[in-house]
Amino acid sequence: EAQVTQNPRYLITVTGKKLTVTCSQNMNHEYMSWYRQDPGLGLRQIYYSMNVEVTDKGDVPEGYKVSRKEKRNFPLILESPSPNQTSLYFCASSLKRLVDDTEAFFGQGTRLTVV
Amino acid sequence: AQSVAQPEDQVNVAEGNPLTVKCTYSVSGNPYLFWYVQYPNRGLQFLLKYITGDNLVKGSYGFEAEFNKSQTSFHLKKPSALVSDSALYFCAVRAYTGTASKLTFGTGTRLQVTL
Repeated sequence: EAQVTQNPRYLITVTGKKLTVTCSQNMNHEYMSWYRQDPGLGLRQIYYSMNVEVTDKGDVPEGYKVSRKEKRNFPLILESPSPNQTSLYFCASSLKRLVDDTEAFFGQGTRLTVV
Repeated sequence: AQSVAQPEDQVNVAEGNPLTVKCTYSVSGNPYLFWYVQYPNRGLQFLLKYITGDNLVKGSYGFEAEFNKSQTSFHLKKPSALVSDSALYFCAVRAYTGTASKLTFGTGTRLQVTL
């Protein structure tokens, strides 16, 4: 089954304790991205990756890191989480084509609470 | 910069009545427009997309959307709403920014269908 898998689904952590949210897709997609969803703000892009070893900042990258060592995996790293990073996070993947007509596939989300 | 506006935070409809969820967009060049639905505790699911051609696009679960270039709108519609359609709906536009293809979301509209 084609899917994007995020782990964990729920996470409560304390301020400053490094954490990683994993994301894996089995569709051989080149393009992967991370979003955070906050009430009234919709989804905002944190980071994206066009392919292996190619990553770039989205709209709200501060406080986050990513890596793309393999095509299927795109982990999101919070080196020193703060309470304002409490949010619902989604990983997404899509094919990279010359025409921008491809839909994105989303993981089920990770609800992060930083206390 | 590209943007998407969903002017209604919530739309209330009685089951069996037609529904419309509004979306307007701003983008340079040709827009590639999408609708996604999010059910509680789930990731976003693709509903439909407009790339080119017929302005009326049909998608999953009986939904359709009408592209109107002059009004820069892409409203989501369904002739007869079901209680099971109750969910959060996101409109999105994908466009090439010069360095990457970016998917920009609206803030979401919660659809509540009642008996």
